[in-house]
Amino acid sequence: QVQLVQSGAEVRKPGASVRVSCKTSGYNFLTNGFNWVRQAPGQGLEWMGWINTYSGNTKSAQKLQDRLTLTTDTSTSTAYMDLRSLRSDDTAFYFCARDSNWGTFDFWGQGTLVTVSS
Amino acid sequence: DIQMTQSPSILSASVGDRVTLTCRASQSIAGWLAWYQQKPGKAPKLLIYKASTLEAGVPSRFSGSGSGTEFTLTINSLQPADFATYYCQQYSTYSYSFGQGTKLEI
Repeated sequence: QVQLVQSGAEVRKPGASVRVSCKTSGYNFLTNGFNWVRQAPGQGLEWMGWINTYSGNTKSAQKLQDRLTLTTDTSTSTAYMDLRSLRSDDTAFYFCARDSNWGTFDFWGQGTLVTVSS
Repeated sequence: DIQMTQSPSILSASVGDRVTLTCRASQSIAGWLAWYQQKPGKAPKLLIYKASTLEAGVPSRFSGSGSGTEFTLTINSLQPADFATYYCQQYSTYSYSFGQGTKLEI
C-alpha cells in the first residue's frame, strides 16, 4: 500500500532554515510528482510547490519561490522540502502529498509541525 | 493567481440531513476542481476530482457538480463521520489553490 512518512517536528529561530523529508513506499516513486502543502494552526491549506520526481522540474507559489527548494532522492524514494529565512508566520504543519498526475493529491503524509520562534 | 472562495464558512447540520457546500473560482477553471475532507489532527483526504468524479472508496452519499466558476459538494444523509472541514482545490493552473474551507459541525 502507498505510504508517505514524514520527518518529525522541528523548532527553528527566525532567519534559520528547515528541511522536511517525506519517505515513500508501496509504489514506483518515479511515476508521480509531489506537492507540498502547509497549514498554519487553525487555518486553511496553502499550496507551496510541486516537483516532478522524474525530471526534477519544480513549480512554486510566487510568495515562496525565493525561499523554497524542492528536491528528491530517487535512491531512497524520498522527497525533501527546504525552506530558508524562516519567519514566525512560517509556523505551520507541512504536508507532502503525492500528485495523481492530474493535479490532485491522492496520498498524504502525516504532517510535520515546524515552529519558528525566538 | 486564481482565488477560491467557499461558502458558508461554518455549516451546522444534523445526522441524516442533506447539505450543500459551495466553491467559487475567481476565473474559469473548467472542471479542474477537487474536494477534500479534513478531520482535526489529520491530513486531508481526497473525495472528488474533476468536479464530479468520486475517488475510489468514497461513499456514494458524496457528490459534486459544477463547471467554470461555480461548484458544489453535496452530502446526502449525513453520517457522524462526515462532520469535518471541507476544502475545494483548483488544479487548472499553477499556482494551485485551495478555498478557505467550510467547517461542517453538528
